[in-house]
Amino acid sequence: EIVMTQSPATLSVSPGERATLSCRASQSVSSNLAWYQQKPGQAPRLLIYGASTRATGIPARFSGSGSGTEFTLTISSLQSEDFAVYYCQQYNNWPLFGQGTRLEIK
Amino acid sequence: QLQLQESGPGLVKPSETLSLTCTVSGGSISSSSYYWGWIRQPPGKGLEWIGSIYYSGSTYYNPSLKSRVTISVDTSKNQFSLKLSSVTAADTAVYYCARHSPGQIPFQHWGQGTLVTVSS
Repeated sequence: EIVMTQSPATLSVSPGERATLSCRASQSVSSNLAWYQQKPGQAPRLLIYGASTRATGIPARFSGSGSGTEFTLTISSLQSEDFAVYYCQQYNNWPLFGQGTRLEIK
Repeated sequence: QLQLQESGPGLVKPSETLSLTCTVSGGSISSSSYYWGWIRQPPGKGLEWIGSIYYSGSTYYNPSLKSRVTISVDTSKNQFSLKLSSVTAADTAVYYCARHSPGQIPFQHWGQGTLVTVSS
């Protein structure tokens, strides 16, 4: 059974700085990895799929990288609206989410 | 623009069956290549996929919930439904419906979610 592990659990970053979030799969998921952003009281929003492809309407400051078991979501210059919880999800077999990283204002 | 909307009781008693429906608008539930899924999120916790269905009726479920879950589809109404039996307080969550394409496209379109509380 695949396990998805996100780190860190909480990340404190100042606006304008870069944020780097990690996601690790316990076995290879190829490039079938997605990232979502979730704000309080809202449904998750798809940011990245195929490990590195931005979804429609997602700003270029969001980028994804990695394949196999190690993946990264980078937000190049944090805006106020980016502070939220981020989830990775593998879809190589049945869908499985990581436990989330809370991105908070430093 | 594709829209999904969950509906159903917000309160269910322990040991009973939770029933929710997702109504799809702005697109056909019979679109090829897409599955229609249910995901839940307990208060303050992470996301858990429950199961998904294709318009033909083909289903697949989270192994940890499979014994209690039934997902069905009604193409004439452009709806699909979730039944979760023998619920306990641990099933209290916001339940989302969403569209995906297994192995190709993750959950790109989501409903707004509906909170279901299990309590006597």
